[in-house]
Amino acid sequence: DIQMTQSPSSLSASVGDRVTITCRASQGINNYLAWYQQKPGKVPKVLIYAASTLQSGAPSRFSGSGSETDFTLTISSLQPEDVAIYYCQKYNIAPYSFGQGTKLEIK
Amino acid sequence: EVQLVESGGGLVQPGRSLRLSCAASGFTFDDYAMHWVRQVPGKGLEWVSGINWNGGVAYYVDSVKGRFTISRDNAKDSLDLQMNSLRNEDTALYYCVKDSGRFGEILGAFDIWGQGTMVTVSS
Repeated sequence: DIQMTQSPSSLSASVGDRVTITCRASQGINNYLAWYQQKPGKVPKVLIYAASTLQSGAPSRFSGSGSETDFTLTISSLQPEDVAIYYCQKYNIAPYSFGQGTKLEIK
Repeated sequence: EVQLVESGGGLVQPGRSLRLSCAASGFTFDDYAMHWVRQVPGKGLEWVSGINWNGGVAYYVDSVKGRFTISRDNAKDSLDLQMNSLRNEDTALYYCVKDSGRFGEILGAFDIWGQGTMVTVSS
C-alpha cells in the first residue's frame, strides 16, 4: 500500500506568516490528493482536492500544489482561525489513506 | 441542509459485534458513494470502508477485512457498518462520510462528514 508522510508533524508560526506543509506519497498518485483541516473539537473539512483545486467556501489564502509523489499545502497569510491539524489524503486507489497530520499553532 | 447522523456506537467487549448506522439527508443519497472513516481520540484519521451507489462495489482497509461489512439502503437513505470480532484496536470515533465523486462511483475524496459515533472495545 502507498504510504503518505507529512512534514513537519507540528509547527508554530505568527499571524501573517506564509506557512507550507508538505506531503509525500511512497508511490506516484497523479493528482489524487486532498487536504483536510480539523479544528479542535470539530470534524474534518476538505480544503483542497485534485491537489490544487480549492473547495467551494474554503478561504482563498489556502492553496495546493504538486503531483505524483510531492505535494504542498500553503497558507499565504496565517490567521488565528487557521489553528488546526491538517491532513493530506490520497484517493487514486483504495485504501484511501491519510498522512499522519500536521498540527499548526500560532506563536 | 446536507446532514449525516451516525448512531449505534457504545461499549462492547472484545470478540463481540456492533452495528453502526448513518442517516443521510439533504442530498440525493443514491447519487453518491459513501464511506466510514475512524479516528482514535487525539490521533489521526483512518479510512475504514467505502461503498458505491448501489452497493455493488465495496472496499475495506486490510485491518478490518473479513470482520466488517459495509452496506446501504437507498430506500431509507442509510448507510451501515456491521462490525464483528471487535478488537481493542477498533476503539475509535467512527465518522460517516460522503464521497465527493459524481455518478455514484467511488472517488475516495470526502466532502461531507457526520459528527461521529464512539465505539469503545474493552473488557
